[in-house]
Amino acid sequence: ETGVTQTPRHLVMGMTNKKSLKCEQHLGHNAMYWYKQSAKKPLELMFVYNFKEQTENNSVPSRFSPECPNSSHLFLHLHTLQPEDSALYLCASSHTGTSDLDTQYFGPGTRLTVL
Amino acid sequence: DQQVKQNSPSLSVQEGRISILNCDYTNSMFDYFLWYKKYPAEGPTFLISISSIKDKNEDGRFTVFLNKSAKHLSLHIVPSQPGDSAVYFCAASAAGGTSYGKLTFGQGTILTVHP
Repeated sequence: ETGVTQTPRHLVMGMTNKKSLKCEQHLGHNAMYWYKQSAKKPLELMFVYNFKEQTENNSVPSRFSPECPNSSHLFLHLHTLQPEDSALYLCASSHTGTSDLDTQYFGPGTRLTVL
Repeated sequence: DQQVKQNSPSLSVQEGRISILNCDYTNSMFDYFLWYKKYPAEGPTFLISISSIKDKNEDGRFTVFLNKSAKHLSLHIVPSQPGDSAVYFCAASAAGGTSYGKLTFGQGTILTVHP
């Protein structure tokens, strides 16, 4: 596997379900990110992890719970979601240090539908 | 308040001609700018970037121009090819402090290159 992988690619869940999205990066990066892309909206940053520590929570509701056990893996645990949470969830990774290394590399995304 | 704006939702270009995609930003703290390309059902792919200490960066058929005084950047693709048809996102970041790792994206421009 190379680059940034995400599973599952598609997920349909009810509002009472609990599910998790998984992201893995094979690039040797130490920063990982979760983004949300809703229809006709820009990508919205949700969470940032640097060296496994959360450094940014962009006012995300608590029904989204991230977990970063190590620099290569990132999870997004979902529970009691709302239909408006249906979106494409993208994971990305990057080096940290200077702006020149800020280039983020994205996974293919998980298309989430909440019924 | 959208800090990065791509005011053209779509652009149609003939194969072989130049494609010019535009992006405006409002935050004067942004010092690193990136362009991503996105195909359907895939995550964004990094294309080219520019630091605020430069006004031009070129990589093959792709050139990014930065006009700091106008807070404007553009991506030129020449010659355009049908395979360039995708959604193009402009993104910006500010180095250091609590802004580190935060990419702010524009809404995207759909480029269609006709054979």
